[in-house]
Amino acid sequence: DGGITQSPKYLFRKEGQNVTLSCEQNLNHDAMYWYRQDPGQGLRLIYYSQIVNDFQKGDIAEGYSVSREKKESFPLTVTSAQKNPTAFYLCASSKGRLMGLGETQYFGPGTRLLVL
Amino acid sequence: AQKITQTQPGMFVQEKEAVTLDCTYDTSDPSYGLFWYKQPSSGEMIFLIYQGSYDQQNATEGRYSLNFQKARKSANLVISASQLGDSAMYFCAMRVRKTSYDKVIFGPGTSLSVIP
Repeated sequence: DGGITQSPKYLFRKEGQNVTLSCEQNLNHDAMYWYRQDPGQGLRLIYYSQIVNDFQKGDIAEGYSVSREKKESFPLTVTSAQKNPTAFYLCASSKGRLMGLGETQYFGPGTRLLVL
Repeated sequence: AQKITQTQPGMFVQEKEAVTLDCTYDTSDPSYGLFWYKQPSSGEMIFLIYQGSYDQQNATEGRYSLNFQKARKSANLVISASQLGDSAMYFCAMRVRKTSYDKVIFGPGTSLSVIP
């Protein structure tokens, strides 16, 4: 089955620690995205990538880093510089902006990050 | 600046009744796309329906329809014949095209509870 997987489902971070959230897709999509969701709020874009070896900052990139070495994978690292990392993190993918404005994003099941 | 407003933090509906979830948007771009997503308690975002800014007819997908009023900048979601499984968070989103990327803005969401 094609889809997006995220791991782990729950992640605990200690103060000063970097942690990495995994996102893998087998939909052959060019574009991938990372969103952060806080309770009672919508999604905010952290980073996005439209093609392998290229990525751009979103609205709230400070304290986060990404890589896109393979088309299928777009891991997100939450660094110690992110002072309030507790949130729900969603990864998404889409075919690419050449598909037009109606292009749908497909989302993974999410990772919930908690600070110890 | 682009913005999505959802003024109903929570809604209740009787099973088998219809319900309308409100969404208003703000953009100066002439071309944009409007989406509705469903987020069950599991966390995954599920695409429901799409409306393009130049589409003449309101979009429909099964029990979902989008009441698009361009002059009022509203894109309300109508769910007919509500089912218990419709209980979830619902997010309105807008895609606009920038020079090098497509920006997707999400509203804060509406929590829908279907009562037996």
